[in-house]
Amino acid sequence: DGGITQSPKYLFRKEGQNVTLSCEQNLNHDAMYWYRQDPGQGLRLIYYSQIVNDFQKGDIAEGYSVSREKKESFPLTVTSAQKNPTAFYLCASSTYPKHRNQPQHFGDGTRLSIL
Amino acid sequence: GQNIDQPTEMTATEGAIVQINCTYQTSGFNGLFWYQQHAGEAPTFLSYNVLDGLEEKGRFSSFLSRSKGYSYLLLKELQMKDSASYLCAVSLSGGYQKVTFGTGTKLQVIP
Repeated sequence: DGGITQSPKYLFRKEGQNVTLSCEQNLNHDAMYWYRQDPGQGLRLIYYSQIVNDFQKGDIAEGYSVSREKKESFPLTVTSAQKNPTAFYLCASSTYPKHRNQPQHFGDGTRLSIL
Repeated sequence: GQNIDQPTEMTATEGAIVQINCTYQTSGFNGLFWYQQHAGEAPTFLSYNVLDGLEEKGRFSSFLSRSKGYSYLLLKELQMKDSASYLCAVSLSGGYQKVTFGTGTKLQVIP
């Protein structure tokens, strides 16, 4: 079955450490997204990518970095510059990004905590 | 800026009907999504409205009024498994599929 796989499910970060969250999809979707979800807040867009080797900042990109070397993969690195990284991180994908009526498909998320 | 409002929490009884409202003020509007999210899990797609009116899908229906910036999700014959958060999300016009999410409504279904 096609879907989006995020790993790990739980991740702990030490002070000053960079950590990378994995996101892989086998839906053959062009567009991929990273969101952050905090209690009492909606999903906030960190980065998005419409096509391989291209990505754009979302609303809260500071302290994060991404790469899109393969269509299937869109890893997110939470750098030490992100001072409040504790959150639930969701990766999503959708078909050609200009098809705005197409829903985004989400992975099961990674919960990141500070040690 | 973008603003999407939903009630924070709702409680309803098993077997009943519940309506979850969503109002929005956004710069540009393409359509409106509803997603269901169980605690600690991925949001899953429920519906998409682009035209005014009611779209029905089994026990779930979604309504949109573009002129009023208003939508609701109607859940009928509530089941315990419907206890979840329901996210309203607006698809914005622009160069890519940018979607702005509301904070979600946590629905608790009680026996």
